[in-house]
Amino acid sequence: DVKVTQSSRYLVKRTGEKVFLECVQDMDHENMFWYRQDPGLGLRLIYFSYDVKMKEKGDIPEGYSVSREKKERFSLILESASTNQTSMYLCASSSGQPQHFGDGTRLSIL
Amino acid sequence: KNEVEQSPQNLTAQEGEFITINCSYSVGISALHWLQQHPGGGIVSLFMLSSGKKKHGRLIATINIQEKHSSLHITASHPRDSAVYICAVRGDKIIFGKGTRLHILP
Repeated sequence: DVKVTQSSRYLVKRTGEKVFLECVQDMDHENMFWYRQDPGLGLRLIYFSYDVKMKEKGDIPEGYSVSREKKERFSLILESASTNQTSMYLCASSSGQPQHFGDGTRLSIL
Repeated sequence: KNEVEQSPQNLTAQEGEFITINCSYSVGISALHWLQQHPGGGIVSLFMLSSGKKKHGRLIATINIQEKHSSLHITASHPRDSAVYICAVRGDKIIFGKGTRLHILP
């Protein structure tokens, strides 16, 4: 079974903090993704990566950056957290279809 | 074994989903093409790649020469993306994959 592990289920941070969300997959997938999910807006793609050190902006990359130094790990970085980044963050990985999702991190920015 | 293999053969997804179509090949090539064919329509060339990646709008094509593998990604998929996507490699001759039939549901 594919396992996609996100480092935290719940996280509370303050405005202006630098926040790191970590995601690890164990299936040697080339592609990894970061989404956020908000009520009424569904899943929106923030960034994705198709190979180590390779990244592409998704639909809403502003205020975020990513890092993929190793194939199994994809990190989402909030450079200076703001309250509008309070959301559920979902990581996924794939080698094609379907994508396999982690359990999500509910991030609150106070 | 086919010299150019595409996966999946068929794919149905919801509008907005991120789509990945894969192409693996077993021969030496000088370039790889991604083509699109709409029902009843002609074939349109999307990308020609020999290394790295290319991007056009919501479409991104990548190629890994060492692994002999290419992917076509579609972000924020839309019903108008519904088509057959064909991978073709150019070496001593041009070899076509069998295509991936993509259907995006509204």
